[in-house]
Amino acid sequence: GAVVSQHPSRVICKSGTSVKIECRSLDFQATTMFWYRQFPKQSLMLMATSNEGSKATYEQGVEKDKFLINHASLTLSTLTVTSAHPEDSSFYICSASRGGLVDTQYFGPGTRLTVL
Amino acid sequence: EDQVTQSPEALRLQEGESSSLNCSYTVSGLRGLFWYRQDPGKGPEFLFTLYSAGEEKEKERLKATLTKKESFLHITAPKPEDSATYLCAVQGGTQGGSEKLVFGKGTKLTVNP
Repeated sequence: GAVVSQHPSRVICKSGTSVKIECRSLDFQATTMFWYRQFPKQSLMLMATSNEGSKATYEQGVEKDKFLINHASLTLSTLTVTSAHPEDSSFYICSASRGGLVDTQYFGPGTRLTVL
Repeated sequence: EDQVTQSPEALRLQEGESSSLNCSYTVSGLRGLFWYRQDPGKGPEFLFTLYSAGEEKEKERLKATLTKKESFLHITAPKPEDSATYLCAVQGGTQGGSEKLVFGKGTKLTVNP
């Protein structure tokens, strides 16, 4: 159990376009979902935390209007990178947890975004 | 501020050569310490959660231990398929009830046949 999927796995887009990434918990209900980005040879950097039906909580320095997060159901969260630029190129990874005081985050396989 | 430091940054082992990875942490009120394995171009794969000092968990060739200041991931008789980056993360009590994790930079393990 505890499988998380992401779609797409890779996306290449032109500068100025918007890109949507989906994150789904396949076999459990995810009270909380997280979005991370990871640069080459770096560790994961948390971008935002989202709870189903609530507005996402963004980490300091992350632009809310640029990275739109929607957690519409207990199994689906989406990250939309609006007006993407080359500096937004990165590896985006979501995770999901069932919730609770101490609960494990299960990660998706990641999405490689390349903005030309 | 919660902090996690992993060492070494990189480790090369021969197949069958046992070793340990270190994760030192400072956190206000540890709620959980997590170990993940990450292969290149993939998301982290959950390995273990440790909750309190003295706790140990095992899975195949891996064993994780926890003290009040650090955690070790022991790898016994590793195989080439154990090659990956191993990430350590902590969840602290100062996060206001959120489940936010603080990650270390990872240890890249290479096991040569």
